[in-house]
Amino acid sequence: EVQLVESGGDLVQPGGSLRLSCAASGFTFSDHYMDWVRQAPGKGLEWVGRIRKKAQSYSTEYAASVTGRFTISRDDSENSLYLQMNSLKIEDTAVYYCVRVYSSSYHDSWGQGTLVTVSS
Amino acid sequence: DTQMTQSPSSLSASVGDRVTITCRASQGIRNYLAWFQQKPGKAPKSLIYAASNLQSGVPSKFSGSGSGTDFTLTISSLQPEDSATYYCQQYNTYPLTFGGGTKVEIK
Repeated sequence: EVQLVESGGDLVQPGGSLRLSCAASGFTFSDHYMDWVRQAPGKGLEWVGRIRKKAQSYSTEYAASVTGRFTISRDDSENSLYLQMNSLKIEDTAVYYCVRVYSSSYHDSWGQGTLVTVSS
Repeated sequence: DTQMTQSPSSLSASVGDRVTITCRASQGIRNYLAWFQQKPGKAPKSLIYAASNLQSGVPSKFSGSGSGTDFTLTISSLQPEDSATYYCQQYNTYPLTFGGGTKVEIK
């Protein structure tokens, strides 16, 4: 069974930093692209970014709203995905989901999410 | 960016009703369209990919159709457990984008 478990969410001040983690199990993590998707309280879903596999040099894509502030990385030896968030803004407040990408194409499995609150 | 517009934004229907949700893309996305179901306080669940393919384990009462710019999600016989918000998403180009959601309630 595919399992994705996010952690690291917290209350942080504007301008601060936070690192989210996603522990994957039940599948060959290194075979899949991985995404982060977020959802602000009471709002819809917003794609944050993607990291590809080793064969694609772990290349990344980001939403314009986070480019230059957020960095996605992965450790295939640890079956883990990360989201480093710097220069956090109030509008980054959201539940952050780790999402598996199937066939290098579409989302198929979601974690339960971790809440990031940016507030002074 | 490709804008995804869902309609209606909410609907109320009776148990057993056939329900249809529409999703329109601002530019052609071939069939790179997915649908997700989200219940309150829960993570989204993937329902359909490539416009019409059911994810494993998704009941056949859900179906999807469309190509290009216009897509639909149909629930053939609405049940209480289908009460949720449904989102479409295009994955044809970056950035991936979602529709605003359709909240489905049971009368």
